[in-house]
Formats: sequence, structure tokens, C-alpha cells
Amino acid sequence: KAGVTQTPRYLIKTRGQQVTLSCSPISGHRSVSWYQQTPGQGLQFLFEYFSETQRNKGNFPGRFSGRQFSNSRSEMNVSTLELGDSALYLCASSPFGGSILPDTEAFFGQGTRLTVV
Amino acid sequence: SQQGEEDPQALSIQEGENATMNCSYKTSINNLQWYRQNSGRGLVHLILIRSNEREKHSGRLRVTLDTSKKSSSLLITASRAADTASYFCATDSPFEAGSYQLTFGKGTKLSVIP
Repeated sequence: KAGVTQTPRYLIKTRGQQVTLSCSPISGHRSVSWYQQTPGQGLQFLFEYFSETQRNKGNFPGRFSGRQFSNSRSEMNVSTLELGDSALYLCASSPFGGSILPDTEAFFGQGTRLTVV
Repeated sequence: SQQGEEDPQALSIQEGENATMNCSYKTSINNLQWYRQNSGRGLVHLILIRSNEREKHSGRLRVTLDTSKKSSSLLITASRAADTASYFCATDSPFEAGSYQLTFGKGTKLSVIP
């Protein structure tokens, strides 16, 4: 079974630009979550999607958005990039998510390293 | 916000020694999980312990959970150089609309010296 695939692996963008990151979950997984990892703030939850619906959102500005497609693949978008958005963005998938199966591990992709210059 | 706080922040040991990392959290949980991350890559799930369990083993890993103290510990026995990584605890808390969200601590950076 293929793991969680994130593309691209590395990205360099200029302040003010926008960026779209992609995540393909493990086949059959319906829950996709996004996390931002920085040295200062650690791992921060961005949002979670289940069956194309955003179920929860972390404490991030509206510049951060996402969506999930019918095949469970997910994208996240960051508009008007700021230097502070430089981070490792991690996507995680799980079969159902906590609502149906509370004791579920999350499977993480290798992440997308975004550098804003 | 960070739910879990790992202790120590960094740990350096010799190969063959045991490594113990601790995690404290703040709110009620469904379960607590430990993940490993190698040098800025993705997280790898190590072990999950449910809120009604007190101890769990997996290979060289032993996890304990004390819900009265809101704390957990991860013990890696007979460490190897390949165990060098950052270790994170994560809690899965009940959420509105049945959402699934893991709240991570800041991690313990383990260095195992050959």
C-alpha cells in the first residue's frame, strides 16, 4: 500500500505570492489533516477534512485554506505569503478520524518544505 | 497551542543505554500517541495508548500513561544509533463535529552516540 504522498517536497516562493500544496492520502483513508511545523511554534494543527468537508480548523489566518476532493486527495493554499509562513507542512491521513474510530493513528507524509524569501 | 510538553527537550546517551522521555498534557484525552521524526522529515507513528490503559509495549518501546497526573513516558531500551531522532507525544482530544485533531508537544531530541 502506498503511503501518504505530498508534493512538491521543496518550494521557494516570494513574499506576496500564493502557493498550493498537495496531499494524496493512503488509499481508503477519508480523513486528511494538515499541520505546520516551525522551530519556534512546533507542530500546529491547520485543518482537517473528512469526505470533502472541513470539520475543524486551527488558529490560523484566513490566508490558509484547503479543500478535499472526492477521491480524498487534499490541497492546501496559502495566499499572500509572509516570511513567517516558511515551514514544513505535513499532511496526515487516517481511515475515519476520531468521530468513528477514536483510537486511530495518523499516517504522515514526508512534508513540503516551504521557504518564503 | 501545545497540549503536550515533552521533557527533556534534548537527550544524549550512549548506544545500548535506555532513553526515557516524558510528556505532560492539559485536557482530557481519547488516547496518547508517540511519533518519531528523523531530521525534518515526516512523522512515523510508534505507539498508541488508550486513556483506559496504563502501560503498553512494542518491541523495545514501553509507554506508560497516568491520566490522574496527565502524563506519559516513553522508554526506549537498548538504544541504537538509528534511534537518533526527535520524539513527539500527541494527544487526540474529543472535538466538536467529531473532528480528528492531534495536539503535539514540542518534542525531545534524542541523540544516540555509537
